[in-house]
Amino acid sequence: DVVMTQTPVSLSVSLGGQTSISCRSSQSLVHSDGNTYLYWYLQKPGQSPQLLIYKVSNRFSGVPDRFSGSGSGTDFTLKISRVEPEDLGVYYCYQGTHYPWTFGGGTKLELK
Amino acid sequence: QVQLQQSGAELVKPGSSVKISCKASGYTFTSYDMHWIKQQPGNGLEWIGWIYPGNGNTKYNQKFNGKATLTADKSSSTAYMQLSSLTSEDSAVYFCARLKRRAPDYWGQGTLVTVSS
Repeated sequence: DVVMTQTPVSLSVSLGGQTSISCRSSQSLVHSDGNTYLYWYLQKPGQSPQLLIYKVSNRFSGVPDRFSGSGSGTDFTLKISRVEPEDLGVYYCYQGTHYPWTFGGGTKLELK
Repeated sequence: QVQLQQSGAELVKPGSSVKISCKASGYTFTSYDMHWIKQQPGNGLEWIGWIYPGNGNTKYNQKFNGKATLTADKSSSTAYMQLSSLTSEDSAVYFCARLKRRAPDYWGQGTLVTVSS
């Protein structure tokens, strides 16, 4: 199985500040069709995960441009700028390239 | 708008089975795979499998072969997951989620399954 390793496990940030989360995969996430199926989700307390970024760097519908994704191959990053209270929760990366599809262990974003 | 409404929490006995439902609305049910995910406290998220309601095709994470069975009823736009031979390791929140571009985009609210005697 592809192991998705997120760092850090937890993060403290000030409102209005900027931060980033790293996600590394144990294998390249480039699919034979040329796409890289790497996604980012946010799970707010008591809620279901919500999609933020699809295929590395595309923001899902309604996601503010404060969120941006980048990376390639096995190394990916989610950046959050101008952090707002509604950004707090646990962030997960996910790969849909190799079966079984797998999630990272999560990064908890808290207020400093 | 896309909505996935899951059935309520279940308290079940070890060794028994449980069937969770996920009713879809706001899109063409038969055009998208439905994805199921397990979340245990402290254990993150695990992909269980998907079903394509259009023709009933399924794909499972091998870890859940024999544990989970996915079905779908086109007439009611409802997907189901049955979990069998339940143990304490199956106690978790289970999510259904619509699949697009090989990943979940819209998620249900989750169903808590507690296995206890």
